[in-house]
Amino acid sequence: AQSVTQLDSQVPVFEEAPVELRCNYSSSVSVYLFWYVQYPNQGLQLLLKYLSGSTLVKGINGFEAEFNKSQTSFHLRKPSVHISDTAEYFCAVSKTGNTPLVFGKGTRLSVIA
Amino acid sequence: GAVVSQHPSRVICKSGTSVKIECRSLDFQATTMFWYRQFPKQSLMLMATSNEGSKATYEQGVEKDKFLINHASLTLSTLTVTSAHPEDSSFYICSANPGSGNQPQHFGDGTRLSIL
Repeated sequence: AQSVTQLDSQVPVFEEAPVELRCNYSSSVSVYLFWYVQYPNQGLQLLLKYLSGSTLVKGINGFEAEFNKSQTSFHLRKPSVHISDTAEYFCAVSKTGNTPLVFGKGTRLSVIA
Repeated sequence: GAVVSQHPSRVICKSGTSVKIECRSLDFQATTMFWYRQFPKQSLMLMATSNEGSKATYEQGVEKDKFLINHASLTLSTLTVTSAHPEDSSFYICSANPGSGNQPQHFGDGTRLSIL
């Protein structure tokens, strides 16, 4: 079985500062890794995904994440955040694209002007 | 790109009412769809896997008679919350995979269910 740990439930950061949202996973098999963003009262939007290949993955809205197999981590980063980045961010894993996702508990990113 | 449409987006109804939520894949066929539930300030938890033409697979602790799932076509899955009670109030969201196994799932916009 897979599990996902998002160590920080809330991350406040000033506008234009860098941010890193941490994600660690546990799995006995190879997995696909994802980051989703959820704005208030909305569904999930895919930020980026790691399936294979390069361990540095670039996504939408200036976000990127790095897959680290030895540390079983997939931390999300952005060099300069905007007010509009305020949202809930979920890290997730799945065995394949046709299996359900296992989500972390989410990290609330609050960007302060 | 692949789009998943979920309807309605919000439902407010009295206790004891049954509520049907639809999840449609608009430009692709989906033999499998997933239903998740999200309580306030919590993560998404898988409720069930909806399989076209066969019975849904429910996660442990999810009552199949309470949450009826029908996947009658390759583009539509429905979740019916029967005799809903206030504790069923939650955000329900579906997802589907548009193609081969290495593509990410696409999510609907979710349904906010509030039972009075």
